[in-house]
Amino acid sequence: NAGVTQTPKFQVLKTGQSMTLQCAQDMNHEYMSWYRQDPGMGLRLIHYSVGAGITDQGEVPNGYNVSRSTTEDFPLRLLSAAPSQTSVYFCASSYSTGLAGVPGEQYFGPGTRLTVT
Amino acid sequence: KQEVTQIPAALSVPEGENLVLNCSFTDSAIYNLQWFRQDPGKGLTSLLLIQSSQREQTSGRLNASLDKSSGRSTLYIAASQPGDSATYLCAVRNYGGATNKLIFGTGTLLAVQP
Repeated sequence: NAGVTQTPKFQVLKTGQSMTLQCAQDMNHEYMSWYRQDPGMGLRLIHYSVGAGITDQGEVPNGYNVSRSTTEDFPLRLLSAAPSQTSVYFCASSYSTGLAGVPGEQYFGPGTRLTVT
Repeated sequence: KQEVTQIPAALSVPEGENLVLNCSFTDSAIYNLQWFRQDPGKGLTSLLLIQSSQREQTSGRLNASLDKSSGRSTLYIAASQPGDSATYLCAVRNYGGATNKLIFGTGTLLAVQP
């Protein structure tokens, strides 16, 4: 298994540009999430999905959109990039524990390092 | 509001030493706690997951314990090696609210000197 994969590894954008960060997992996990990691702020949840067709907001969703049309893919779209979105972005996936709404062990992708100038 | 704290923020030890990393959390109503390591410029690698009903989990030289009532977890690393150098993060998953959200500590940066 490849696990959780993310593309691109690095990206530089100008303010106002849009782009999509790709995330895919081959473990048939129901749950997928996007986090951003910033120095001194730790990891913060942007959006998450509990299955194909179902997404919801995390704690820092503004400026980002997601969709989940398949179990495997969970792309993150930056609508109009801002310097405040300079960060490292991680995608993660989890299996279902069988308890309603409770994911199990979380697996992370290698990250996308984004710089907005 | 759940807060997760890791002390110390940084630790340097000589190779071969046994060491303990600490994680504390303010709300004991958790489903599970997970320990990760993160190498510089890399993603997070899952080390151990402890369910709220468990007291400890072991994997190789790693042993993680959980005391939910006191809001503490420890990660014990036996016979440390230079390859163990990394940032270690703990994260908890709360009851209620957004159970999809893992709440992370800010990590302990470990350096194992050869």
